[in-house]
Amino acid sequence: DAGVTQSPTHLIKTRGQQVTLRCSPISGHKSVSWYQQVLGQGPQFIFQYYEKEERGRGNFPDRFSARQFPNYSSELNVNALLLGDSALYLCASSLGQDRNYGYTFGSGTRLTVV
Amino acid sequence: DQQVKQNSPSLSVQEGRISILNCDYTNSMFDYFLWYKKYPAEGPTFLISISSIKDKNEDGRFTVFLNKSAKHLSLHIVPSQPGDSAVYFCAARTRGNAGNMLTFGGGTRLMVKP
Repeated sequence: DAGVTQSPTHLIKTRGQQVTLRCSPISGHKSVSWYQQVLGQGPQFIFQYYEKEERGRGNFPDRFSARQFPNYSSELNVNALLLGDSALYLCASSLGQDRNYGYTFGSGTRLTVV
Repeated sequence: DQQVKQNSPSLSVQEGRISILNCDYTNSMFDYFLWYKKYPAEGPTFLISISSIKDKNEDGRFTVFLNKSAKHLSLHIVPSQPGDSAVYFCAARTRGNAGNMLTFGGGTRLMVKP
């Protein structure tokens, strides 16, 4: 049984470029959340999607956007990349949006902006 | 404004002894607390959780204690094993939040020496 799958695993981009990260949740999970983990810090919430709708947004600029597809997979887009966007981007899936559902994290996408 | 803090960046313990990891929080709206373990190149893995209406939850070698008046929680690992060496994050969910946003602490690196 596949867990949360994220692609690519590693990515190097130049300042000003745009990037798209992908996440496939566990089969049957309808909620996907995105987190950014900067080196030496804990993960920070970016977005939560449930049933293809945005249900929560963290304190991130509008350069960050996301969407969820009918098959519940999700993409995170970051425009006009800055050096400070270099981080591990984690996707977590859960059965629903209720706070009592557990979350399973993927292994993340390591983004380096040069 | 760090709402969840782990003040010890690292902890070293001898195999077989007790490991105690601590976490402090400031937001009274948190109603559920979780501990995650993270190995390098992997996503966080759920360990144990506790509701704000409880003061203790136990699962095998892992016990989480919650002191609401002090806004403090701790994770006890007994006995510690070398395989427990990892970064541990505490996380908290917000009461009334329709989504499943987690606020993470900065993590504590646990090293269990054989």
